[in-house]
Amino acid sequence: SQQGEEDPQALSIQEGENATMNCSYKTSINNLQWYRQNSGRGLVHLILIRSNEREKHSGRLRVTLDTSKKSSSLLITASRAADTASYFCAIEGNQFYFGTGTSLTVIP
Amino acid sequence: DVKVTQSSRYLVKRTGEKVFLECVQDMDHENMFWYRQDPGLGLRLIYFSYDVKMKEKGDIPEGYSVSREKKERFSLILESASTNQTSMYLCASSRLFYEQYFGPGTRLTVT
Repeated sequence: SQQGEEDPQALSIQEGENATMNCSYKTSINNLQWYRQNSGRGLVHLILIRSNEREKHSGRLRVTLDTSKKSSSLLITASRAADTASYFCAIEGNQFYFGTGTSLTVIP
Repeated sequence: DVKVTQSSRYLVKRTGEKVFLECVQDMDHENMFWYRQDPGLGLRLIYFSYDVKMKEKGDIPEGYSVSREKKERFSLILESASTNQTSMYLCASSRLFYEQYFGPGTRLTVT
């Protein structure tokens, strides 16, 4: 069963715009993580937010977590062509679940 | 920097063969994971291990087994490969309740 779902499945924006991706999950969690995957490569960790945190920043990335709604969002500000990739949320509770991913295309 | 290495980037095997995929991490992480990634399905957890000789089933363990004899090494075994096991296989490691570090993946084709 898929415990994490990203929305939208695909997103296409112009360079310089902001990109927002959402993740919903079903179980209780210890933390939620966001990863990026460039085509054909392994995943790279972006941000980890713990269940008692509500917001976290890292450079151009901002992650929010709402445990009452069981949802998280990833905001990439001032996007660049190099941000083109697939983005996955992952939840860590009793087990580990990844979402199906959002494919982001940033058009130069 | 954490390094997770996988034994092969590309592998082609025949139906019925026994297949070993090896993963090694160099950061003394307790946890190690094996996922498979298929288009439209995201990453699905096959097995994970939180200590030497310990293993837990993930979402899709059928047709797979694992071995963790040393802390740094986690092996995925396909006892009798089938065509529906053609996939990208990703290994990862982590400390407990921390982010996972992934290897580059092994693209396995079973013909």
